[in-house]
Amino acid sequence: GAVVSQHPSRVICKSGTSVKIECRSLDFQATTMFWYRQFPKKSLMLMATSNEGSKATYEQGVEKDKFLINHASLTLSTLTVTSAHPEDSSFYICSATLTGTSGYNEQFFGPGTRLTVL
Amino acid sequence: GNSVTQMEGPVTLSEEAFLTINCTYTATGYPSLFWYVQYPGEGLQLLLKATKADDKGSNKGFEATYRKETTSFHLEKGSVQVSDSAVYFCALSGNTPLVFGKGTRLSVIA
Repeated sequence: GAVVSQHPSRVICKSGTSVKIECRSLDFQATTMFWYRQFPKKSLMLMATSNEGSKATYEQGVEKDKFLINHASLTLSTLTVTSAHPEDSSFYICSATLTGTSGYNEQFFGPGTRLTVL
Repeated sequence: GNSVTQMEGPVTLSEEAFLTINCTYTATGYPSLFWYVQYPGEGLQLLLKATKADDKGSNKGFEATYRKETTSFHLEKGSVQVSDSAVYFCALSGNTPLVFGKGTRLSVIA
């Protein structure tokens, strides 16, 4: 089946540093990937749509200069949290879109990355 | 715009009890509907889906029927187990990306 991986699964960093999170579709190509953020006991909030070969589309209220997204290939999208602060601590989840033979799109989710900023 | 409303938890049930988690939606057109499950410390897993009206999605004993007339997609299971303890998210997609409900935490006690 379609598998999406994320790396790292957990990261702890100091305030002011940058952290890169990778999202990979392991057995399919994905022209579109999504990045979500999940706050404790809350639902997922869509941060941005990552399109291979073009700039990401950010949701309202998400700082594009703080959350840098690069979709360098059809199997890899990266999210870099720049100058991280404690309020950036969260669970970040990516998903990759698989287009089936019928044209129906389905999203497959990565296992998530827990970021803790001290 | 599209939105999903699901019952707020937490829901606590005894093992073998019947489960219903309500989900209603607002959408233009004909969205696909999904239930995702998130086990503690893990990402989301697709539990079941339905892509058109009257479709029934089912998996692992869970079922949900796409009801266009009531704009609902309620999740049911006849006999829950302790291993079903997780957070359940209802979601819709008229087109990607998905729109999620706020999630319902289920705790099943032995």
